[in-house]
Amino acid sequence: AQKITQTQPGMFVQEKEAVTLDCTYDTSDQSYGLFWYKQPSSGEMIFLIYQGSYDEQNATEGRYSLNFQKARKSANLVISASQLGDSAMYFCAMREGYGQNFVFGPGTRLSVLP
Amino acid sequence: KAGVTQTPRYLIKTRGQQVTLSCSPISGHRSVSWYQQTPGQGLQFLFEYFSETQRNKGNFPGRFSGRQFSNSRSEMNVSTLELGDSALYLCASSLEGAYNSPLHFGNGTRLTVT
Repeated sequence: AQKITQTQPGMFVQEKEAVTLDCTYDTSDQSYGLFWYKQPSSGEMIFLIYQGSYDEQNATEGRYSLNFQKARKSANLVISASQLGDSAMYFCAMREGYGQNFVFGPGTRLSVLP
Repeated sequence: KAGVTQTPRYLIKTRGQQVTLSCSPISGHRSVSWYQQTPGQGLQFLFEYFSETQRNKGNFPGRFSGRQFSNSRSEMNVSTLELGDSALYLCASSLEGAYNSPLHFGNGTRLTVT
């Protein structure tokens, strides 16, 4: 079974608008972390934001926020005021417990339109 | 603090040859992970090294191997290259193995096998 599901292969958003990228996860661990990464066409993977399973508040980092709904096992990334430079692949990832490797979703390609 | 450094950035090899990729983690990071990324298969986990020991291993054939040195630098080796090994190889480091410890990626090595 897929541990990380990203159901949107591609998304379009108008510049300056907000966009939500979906991520659902599957785990039976109580301790886990959820991460979002951005991969521009140049290839590097950029860490954006982290949410821990015990965190009661949604994480925010500048224009990025994570809509964490634990009961629904979803961790959606919200990008506010989209910019052209936000066009990239976005990956949701999870790490469980201690010493476990990361599991990545298939990614969502976001295109920001001028 | 310097980021994760991968060398070389680009590599062209012939089928049947072997290749060694290098990764220097962020100073103080003891965990180094390797990923293979292809358009068809997405991001696939190869292995993780922690304090010179392989801690996790993905589902790759034995032609793929790695090691970690006492200074946490890591190398990945692929022997008897096949055309299907053409990919972007990403190295990532993290402080330790806790679930709240994010991966920090290098720029990757783009390997082309002809």
